Amino acid sequence: DAGVIQSPRHEVTEMGQEVTLRCKPISGHNSLFWYRQTMMRGLELLIYFNNNVPIDDSGMPEDRFSAKMPNASFSTLKIQPSEPRDSAVYFCASRPGQGNTGELFFGEGSRLTVL
Amino acid sequence: DAKTTQPTSMDCAEGRAANLPCNHSTISGNEYVYWYRQIHSQGPQYIIHGLKNNETNEMASLIITEDRKSSTLILPHATLRDTAVYYCIVRVANNDYKLSFGAGTTVTVRA
Repeated sequence: DAGVIQSPRHEVTEMGQEVTLRCKPISGHNSLFWYRQTMMRGLELLIYFNNNVPIDDSGMPEDRFSAKMPNASFSTLKIQPSEPRDSAVYFCASRPGQGNTGELFFGEGSRLTVL
Repeated sequence: DAKTTQPTSMDCAEGRAANLPCNHSTISGNEYVYWYRQIHSQGPQYIIHGLKNNETNEMASLIITEDRKSSTLILPHATLRDTAVYYCIVRVANNDYKLSFGAGTTVTVRA
């Protein structure tokens, strides 16, 4: 089975540009998460979707960040305009339904560098 | 949220058992202990979880003390591919989707 698929794997852009990161969760999973990882702050939860609906976006740093999940097989994380401090690895993860297992399946991440 | 305390780093010899400790003295009765690991340049990977009983799967064993204030993850026969950052996480009971990753333990398996 294919795991969580993220694209692009690497993105280098200049400050002020729009960045769109994409994620395809594992088929049949109905929970999707976006995390950000930096050396300073470690892994941080940005937003959580359940059945395509955003449930908790309290981790989204500011209005420059937005996330959508138009259907069960696709999600985007957009940064507009991007800033150097947004440089990080962004991970998407999915989970098969609600319950107490808590096991998240992570993608390989998208490494973003904003110059 | 219950917090966890882990050593910053540890070394292990290849082929030997690796015992990774974790303290979670403020854990609540209905909170689970989860372990994930992150190999360099990869996404985190689930290893195992437990509530109060010891657990074992194909990757590792989880030993939870009777008072649940600490636990140990055991990698029975460490290989070089087990070199990674290992995260011990206590899951917030009322927010079943939140897994708060701390700094973890950097485990280096040496030949």
